[in-house]
Amino acid sequence: GIQVEQSPPDLILQEGANSTLRCNFSDSVNNLQWFHQNPWGQLINLFYIPSGTKQNGRLSATTVATERYSLLYISSSQTTDSGVYFCAVELKTSGSRLTFGEGTQLTVNP
Amino acid sequence: GAVVSQHPSRVICKSGTSVKIECRSLDFQATTMFWYRQFPKQSLMLMATSNEGSKATYEQGVEKDKFLINHASLTLSTLTVTSAHPEDSSFYICSASDRGPGTDTQYFGPGTRLTVL
Repeated sequence: GIQVEQSPPDLILQEGANSTLRCNFSDSVNNLQWFHQNPWGQLINLFYIPSGTKQNGRLSATTVATERYSLLYISSSQTTDSGVYFCAVELKTSGSRLTFGEGTQLTVNP
Repeated sequence: GAVVSQHPSRVICKSGTSVKIECRSLDFQATTMFWYRQFPKQSLMLMATSNEGSKATYEQGVEKDKFLINHASLTLSTLTVTSAHPEDSSFYICSASDRGPGTDTQYFGPGTRLTVL
């Protein structure tokens, strides 16, 4: 089956720093989404980005589908950015089923 | 944006009892909903795909007779954990697919934390 690998697994930052999270996937995809899971478990949609670049405030994401990777950029990080960031992909043949990576645990210290 | 609710948010039950979890899409119709399970410090694992008006499709290794799924309307899917045991304790999360031109985004409910004693 498809493999989704995220790096780094853990990341500790000082408030104000920038970071880049990476998601590699092993097959062609129809859909790629980035989520932030907050400490209470709620998954918050960040981006629907099967290809191209999108920006939303301090966050931006780029997916290069032909090279099978996606990047999530967090600029000027805040303590509220802490949590787990997941990338999830949908295979072209999987009928909307998402496969999640293992996530990146981000801790932003004041 | 699209909102998905889950109820209950937390449940504690005795071993052998059954627990029903509801998942609702509040402001859109979802022909497809999904049920995931997440153990502590782990990623989400898809359990089943729930299609309105038809039987659910279960992932390999998920017992369909233990995890009963019903998708009776375009806004409601339920997951019933039958004869729950301590190893079923987990965080159960549903999602609903909102399809439109150029998008097929899944929105997630807040999750249900199940503890089986």
